[in-house]
Amino acid sequence: NAGVTQTPKFQVLKTGQSMTLQCAQDMNHNSMYWYRQDPGMGLRLIYYSASEGTTDKGEVPNGYNVSRLNKREFSLRLESAAPSQTSVYFCASSGADSGNTIYFGEGSWLTVV
Amino acid sequence: GENVEQHPSTLSVQEGDSAVIKCTYSDSASNYFPWYKQELGKRPQLIIDIRSNVGEKKDQRIAVTLNKTAKHFSLHITETQPEDSAVYFCAASNFHTGRRALTFGSGTRLQVQP
Repeated sequence: NAGVTQTPKFQVLKTGQSMTLQCAQDMNHNSMYWYRQDPGMGLRLIYYSASEGTTDKGEVPNGYNVSRLNKREFSLRLESAAPSQTSVYFCASSGADSGNTIYFGEGSWLTVV
Repeated sequence: GENVEQHPSTLSVQEGDSAVIKCTYSDSASNYFPWYKQELGKRPQLIIDIRSNVGEKKDQRIAVTLNKTAKHFSLHITETQPEDSAVYFCAASNFHTGRRALTFGSGTRLQVQP
């Protein structure tokens, strides 16, 4: 049981480049989330998906897009990366059968130069 | 939306002492309050949570208390050990609504001195 799996783990981008962070969960959870964590700070919600086929903006959605491809997968896309998007990105999921506890992936370290 | 404030930002204690971290929240509709521990370079991991129908919950050396009237909740760690050193985050959400995403506090760096 892998839980929440994110790829890539590390990435360096040049300003203006695009990339997609992939996330998959194998816990049959309905809800999935993308958070970012800047050095020394808490986690801020970028986007979330309450169920397959739905997505909603969180606290800091500007510069990002998401796709809930199916129940398992929730991707985050940076269309034109900016240095301000240098951060650690965490995907997470939750479901009623796990008491709505939110489980996090291992994180993706993104540097935009 | 919800706003969660967390204090202190850093906390240093001697091994064996107790540590207390406090959080306040703004949305009276929030009903789920988890605490996460994050070690350096790792993912946040749930250590304990409490729901709004309960005032206190304990799990071995860890306890959480909730005061709904004052809209604050606290994490208590007793008999601290060096392996308790980490960053701790409180969070809040309303898991009865479609939006179950957590709003996090800014974190407390706990250092337990041997």
